[in-house]
Amino acid sequence: QSVLTQPPSASGTPGQRVTISCSGSSSNIGINTVNWYQQVPGTAPKLLIYSNNQRPSGVPDRFSGSKSGTSASLAISGLQSEDEADYYCAAWDDSLNGLYVFGTGTKVTVL
Amino acid sequence: QVQLQESGPGLVKPSQTLSLTCSVSGGSISSGGYYWSWIRQHPGKGLEWIGNIHYSGSTYYNPTLKSRVTISADTSKNHYSLKLTSVTAADTAVYYCAREDQAYGMDVWGQGTTVTVSS
Repeated sequence: QSVLTQPPSASGTPGQRVTISCSGSSSNIGINTVNWYQQVPGTAPKLLIYSNNQRPSGVPDRFSGSKSGTSASLAISGLQSEDEADYYCAAWDDSLNGLYVFGTGTKVTVL
Repeated sequence: QVQLQESGPGLVKPSQTLSLTCSVSGGSISSGGYYWSWIRQHPGKGLEWIGNIHYSGSTYYNPTLKSRVTISADTSKNHYSLKLTSVTAADTAVYYCAREDQAYGMDVWGQGTTVTVSS
């Protein structure tokens, strides 16, 4: 049921920059803020970015978010081995009387 | 700090009702303007929002599950609950509870509990 589309995978070597895209529509990203979650396999998701580009306390500044129109992006600069995880974008969708939608998820592999 | 912990049966028979509870510690579910959410993750799949309950008592549900879902809160016990009726194998998943601030996203998550629907 995901209405936010992400690439299934992304990869990079340590120190590289990796970018993950999140494509939505006018009823979700186009009018609402975007959050990003990181999920290490076997563990619960963790809030990584909120309100498009804000980092919660404790999240390294190598993680950054941006939004333009109906799309958003997450960038990881200076990729580290512990960044290997699944990443999900998310936003409220106003088309169905309120529905919080997650992206399809992107598996980041550190080569 | 606030911590969440899911609890409930790990195995539910088809057509029965799945019931889970999320116990909240380190803070009150009736204060702060938060939404208290349920999210699930099918095996090897992505995240699916089930619904939430506001501290005022208002509830919001995923339209695809709305006919089968009830989320309620017990402020005296500082926990909230999920009931999903008429379950099938398609409801087999890891179920998470999470605290949501509409400005800050889902900032606190439980560890998740696996529910298998099988006879």
